[in-house]
Amino acid sequence: AQKVTQAQTEISVVEKEDVTLDCVYETRDTTYYLFWYKQPPSGELVFLIRRNSFDEQNEISGRYSWNFQKSTSSFNFTITASQVVDSAVYFCALKEETSGSRLTFGEGTQLTVNP
Amino acid sequence: GAVVSQHPSRVICKSGTSVKIECRSLDFQATTMFWYRQFPKQSLMLMATSNEGSKATYEQGVEKDKFLINHASLTLSTLTVTSAHPEDSSFYICSATPGAPDTQYFGPGTRLTVL
Repeated sequence: AQKVTQAQTEISVVEKEDVTLDCVYETRDTTYYLFWYKQPPSGELVFLIRRNSFDEQNEISGRYSWNFQKSTSSFNFTITASQVVDSAVYFCALKEETSGSRLTFGEGTQLTVNP
Repeated sequence: GAVVSQHPSRVICKSGTSVKIECRSLDFQATTMFWYRQFPKQSLMLMATSNEGSKATYEQGVEKDKFLINHASLTLSTLTVTSAHPEDSSFYICSATPGAPDTQYFGPGTRLTVL
């Protein structure tokens, strides 16, 4: 069965520090998609990235970067030079080809960036 | 693009009343919409999946007679919590997907408090 593990429940950093949020997944499908969402205190989930299983290239978007490694079933998310506005809960999610549109979410990581 | 609205953002009602929550995709047609429930400091729990013009598919343990879902058009889905009780108090979030590869875009959520 599919599973997403975000082992870090809470992370606290000081502004300008780099921080990496870990995500490990389990799936038997060869075709799948991985996602990261941000949930700020307001509650709305904001889509950050989608990556399919055939594309292992790392991606960078501004201060955000993602490291996808199929060999370790991980899809880690790094924020460089963190800012207070990055404080939020971050969810990693998995969509399998065989599960239709269903997402399997991790438990989330609460990131707090202190000034 | 890919904006999903949800209304109301917050509702307080008396026990025994019914509450309707609307979810709209504003700039795309949603082939599928999803309803989630989220308890404090927890991940999202999928309640049901709905496709336009067909009956919703409920997750195990979700009472379909209590949580009525109507997906009347490609841009609107509604969740009605019937005969609400205090234990139904929660944060309800909808999402919509425009189709393959099925990225879900989330609404801002509705905080329901049943007195």
